[in-house]
Amino acid sequence: EDQVTQSPEALRLQEGESSSLNCSYTVSGLRGLFWYRQDPGKGPEFLFTLYSAGEEKEKERLKATLTKKESFLHITAPKPEDSATYLCAVKTGANNLFFGTGTRLTVIP
Amino acid sequence: EPEVTQTPSHQVTQMGQEVILRCVPISNHLYFYWYRQILGQKVEFLVSFYNNEISEKSEIFDDQFSVERPDGSNFTLKIRSTKLEDSAMYFCASSEWASNEKLFFGSGTQLSVL
Repeated sequence: EDQVTQSPEALRLQEGESSSLNCSYTVSGLRGLFWYRQDPGKGPEFLFTLYSAGEEKEKERLKATLTKKESFLHITAPKPEDSATYLCAVKTGANNLFFGTGTRLTVIP
Repeated sequence: EPEVTQTPSHQVTQMGQEVILRCVPISNHLYFYWYRQILGQKVEFLVSFYNNEISEKSEIFDDQFSVERPDGSNFTLKIRSTKLEDSAMYFCASSEWASNEKLFFGSGTQLSVL
């Protein structure tokens, strides 16, 4: 059975304190790993897609990396506006995404 | 920037009643989806829709659920006879390509079944 596990469940950082979020997956055939950001009361917002081990993508203070069993979302010098829940999802088949439960990030000024 | 719009933002209904959740996907997108998120739980796939047909559905999407694209702009999710466990945030999403690389989600409809 496909599984996506995100850790930690919650993370509190001081502004400027860099850290990483983890997404480990067990799937039958990975066809893409996705990172989304979700603000309270909103729908998920697309951040990155990664397709193969070794791939990296960056956007502002965020960098996503992928290995054969996990992905990391690195946050460099976060700001309070980076506070959100970060969701990892995998695509294994046709058209659907299988989401993890997310990491709730709080950045304290 | 174009966005997916959903109405209503909140819907309260009695158990056993029918509800219709409405969505306007981004205009040039061809693929449409419904996901749901029960409070405190993960976002779950319900159904995908392309070319006026369901292309994939999950086990959650049973005979009580149906989707429709009644015109060129709207995409609806109908729950025929709501149950308490249908209470959740329902998200509509759309994407330009079948690759599903970048889904655009709406802000959701919070459905409360009493």
